[in-house]
Amino acid sequence: RKEVEQDPGPFNVPEGATVAFNCTYSNSASQSFFWYRQDCRKEPKLLMSVYSSGNEDGRFTAQLNRASQYISLLIRDSKLSDSATYLCVVSAGNMLTFGGGTRLMVKP
Amino acid sequence: ETGVTQSPTHLIKTRGQQVTLRCSSQSGHNTVSWYQQALGQGPQFIFQYYREEENGRGNFPPRFSGLQFPNYSSELNVNALELDDSALYLCASSSGQGPGGYTFGSGTRLTVV
Repeated sequence: RKEVEQDPGPFNVPEGATVAFNCTYSNSASQSFFWYRQDCRKEPKLLMSVYSSGNEDGRFTAQLNRASQYISLLIRDSKLSDSATYLCVVSAGNMLTFGGGTRLMVKP
Repeated sequence: ETGVTQSPTHLIKTRGQQVTLRCSSQSGHNTVSWYQQALGQGPQFIFQYYREEENGRGNFPPRFSGLQFPNYSSELNVNALELDDSALYLCASSSGQGPGGYTFGSGTRLTVV
């Protein structure tokens, strides 16, 4: 079983749609949680950190459920520029453990 | 402030050869981590260097080795290349204050034929 599991997708959604991604992790000692965005053939870039209280950054909302070891990302009012792979990332120290990524394609 | 730079950007090697990949960390960052990303997968942790010492290692064989220099730049060396070593190799630097401050380089795409 992978340490961080994600649905690989692709999720094909129209512009303006709301889309949600989920992720589960197996290491209960994980302390830090993130969503990264990776465009095709580019490096991953931090989208947002994820906190137990939930946090929002514009159209993006992230939630963490430590009891269920579950992380989510909600994207509202999808834009064409949101098309990318979204990587769920957890850390139990200074090492980052990545999920396999969920691919999002936003269509006109 | 310069970001993380990696060289070369692309590389083709033959099975059995050795390769060295290079990474210059972001200014002010003393920690460098290396990741391997195979096509269609998430990055996998190879190892981390902090102040020139290895500070953690993932599930990679000893033929993957590294160095960090006094200026905090780093090298990844892979011996006896195998076809499965074909991947994007990513370097990430941080200030060592926790996992939230990583900056990734644009990677080196290695193809082993």
